[in-house]
Amino acid sequence: AQSVTQLGSHVSVSEGALVLLRCNYSSSVPPYLFWYVQYPNQGLQLLLKYTSAATLVKGINGFEAEFKKSETSFHLTKPSAHMSDAAEYFCAVSDSGGSNYKLTFGKGTLLTVNP
Amino acid sequence: GAVVSQHPSRVICKSGTSVKIECRSLDFQATTMFWYRQFPKQSLMLMATSNEGSKATYEQGVEKDKFLINHASLTLSTLTVTSAHPEDSSFYICSARDAGHLISPLHFGNGTRLTVT
Repeated sequence: AQSVTQLGSHVSVSEGALVLLRCNYSSSVPPYLFWYVQYPNQGLQLLLKYTSAATLVKGINGFEAEFKKSETSFHLTKPSAHMSDAAEYFCAVSDSGGSNYKLTFGKGTLLTVNP
Repeated sequence: GAVVSQHPSRVICKSGTSVKIECRSLDFQATTMFWYRQFPKQSLMLMATSNEGSKATYEQGVEKDKFLINHASLTLSTLTVTSAHPEDSSFYICSARDAGHLISPLHFGNGTRLTVT
């Protein structure tokens, strides 16, 4: 079984400040990890993914995440927040890369950016 | 990039009627599509896995006779909410994976907001 815990359902930062969204996972096998962003009344957009290659993964919109096996973490960061980053962010884990793998999502973290 | 189109984006229906939601992969083939349900301010809950040319696999607790899934082609899956009731009001999101890429991430539609009155 696999699970994802996102610490903090709501994170608020000032524009230009560092963004840090936390994600810890549990998986019995080496995981595949993903971060998705959701804007109001829309589907999810992939920010980045970890698939056992480089542990530091760079994604779109200036986001990156680091896979730390010893800490079972995959935290999402961005050096400088922009107003357009305000959205809901979901961390997800899969235990397989096969064609039918399923994603298990965390409960999400709402990011607000203050001017 | 890969695009998944979901239609309609919003639908309001009366209790007891059925509603069909379409999910199309526009520029790739998807042997597998997934249907999620999302309640306000909550995460996505997987309802079922739709497999092209075969029966869908439903998650525990999801009524397969109420949520009918059809995946008739490599680019189209449909979810029909039968005899809808107010408690079925929710945000439904489909996703698909490019069958031509190993470890391809899921691509999501923009969701359908269903309101049952």
